[in-house]
Amino acid sequence: KAGVTQTPRYLIKTRGQQVTLSCSPISGHRSVSWYQQTPGQGLQFLFEYFSETQRNKGNFPGRFSGRQFSNSRSEMNVSTLELGDSALYLCASSLGTSASTDTQYFGPGTRLTVL
Amino acid sequence: QKEVEQNSGPLSVPEGAIASLNCTYSDRVSQSFFWYRQYSGKSPELIMSIYSNGDKEDGRFTAQLNKASQYVSLLIRDSQPSDSATYLCAVLNYGGSQGNLIFGKGTKLSVKP
Repeated sequence: KAGVTQTPRYLIKTRGQQVTLSCSPISGHRSVSWYQQTPGQGLQFLFEYFSETQRNKGNFPGRFSGRQFSNSRSEMNVSTLELGDSALYLCASSLGTSASTDTQYFGPGTRLTVL
Repeated sequence: QKEVEQNSGPLSVPEGAIASLNCTYSDRVSQSFFWYRQYSGKSPELIMSIYSNGDKEDGRFTAQLNKASQYVSLLIRDSQPSDSATYLCAVLNYGGSQGNLIFGKGTKLSVKP
């Protein structure tokens, strides 16, 4: 079974631009969660989508948004990029049940650099 | 603010030794705990999950959970240089109708040949 895929793997943008990242979950998984990883803050939760609906959201500004399509693929958008948005953006997929045993599997990540 | 704490290391052990990684969490009602391994420049890879008090073994890895002490640990027996990585402890936090993972900052493990 194929794993979680993310595109693109690397991105370089300048301040003020916007960016869209894509994530395709493991076949059969309906939940997609997004995380930001930086050396200073570690891994932080951005938001989670299930059945095209955002079910949960972390403490990030409104410049960070996302959506999910009917095939469970998800996109994440960051508008008006700031230098501090430089990070590894990770997508994780899971079955999406509310069971405490629902396990998240990570994709390879998108490395975003903002100049 | 729910928190997960780990010793950042680096933890250095000789090849063949037991590596012991520790994690504490602040939310007493947490039920699900995970250990991920992350090699430099790579994404986190799930090693173990544990939900009940006690030990859970998988090959050279043993996860230990003590909910009363709010403590999770990971033991790696017969450590190999290939185990050198950052180990992330994660706790499932329920917000809304679905949980999200809260991660510790990770412990960097170095296994010396």
